[in-house]
Amino acid sequence: GDSVTQMEGPVTLSEEAFLTINCTYTATGYPSLFWYVQYPGEGLQLLLKATKADDKGSNKGFEATYRKETTSFHLEKGSVQVSDSAVYFCALKDSGGYQKVTFGTGTKLQVIP
Amino acid sequence: EADIYQTPRYLVIGTGKKITLECSQTMGHDKMYWYQQDPGMELHLIHYSYGVNSTEKGDLSSESTVSRIRTEHFPLTLESARPSHTSQYLCASSADNRGTDTQYFGPGTRLTVL
Repeated sequence: GDSVTQMEGPVTLSEEAFLTINCTYTATGYPSLFWYVQYPGEGLQLLLKATKADDKGSNKGFEATYRKETTSFHLEKGSVQVSDSAVYFCALKDSGGYQKVTFGTGTKLQVIP
Repeated sequence: EADIYQTPRYLVIGTGKKITLECSQTMGHDKMYWYQQDPGMELHLIHYSYGVNSTEKGDLSSESTVSRIRTEHFPLTLESARPSHTSQYLCASSADNRGTDTQYFGPGTRLTVL
């Protein structure tokens, strides 16, 4: 079945540091890929998405490129802020009948001033 | 912006009580979901619905039940709460779209069973 593997946290960075959170997936067909973010005390919200190979999703300075050859969708940001502290979830939606969404286990990011 | 609501936000109850967690969305979405989120943050799908009168069990076995009598409403019920049910419960919805339908999440209900 489908699966998503993302790097374990917590990840602690200083403000303005470069961020990479790795995400790899296993799926049949051509899934859509997502990054969701969960701020403390809130539900998840979509950060960015990509629907096909080589697509780049971007939002709020975050970027991720759909790499089919390496089955990866790594999240990057050039300069993190304290306000980026949250839990980040990589997810995929399969292209089959139900179009089930599979989430990774989440990576907690803490940005310190 | 997401218009999906969950009540209560926090609930502390004793063992054996019957509880219902409410979830409502005003976006007209056909698909709705309930996830259980453990302390390690991982999400587990426990129920989902394609539309009115449709309910299915998710990947994680749960003693809870759900109903979908109206498009906008997807309540989750525990007939007899136990301490093992202590968790965060997240409701979500998405449009029935074979494209890249995004899931919209409510703020969650944090349940503690004593």
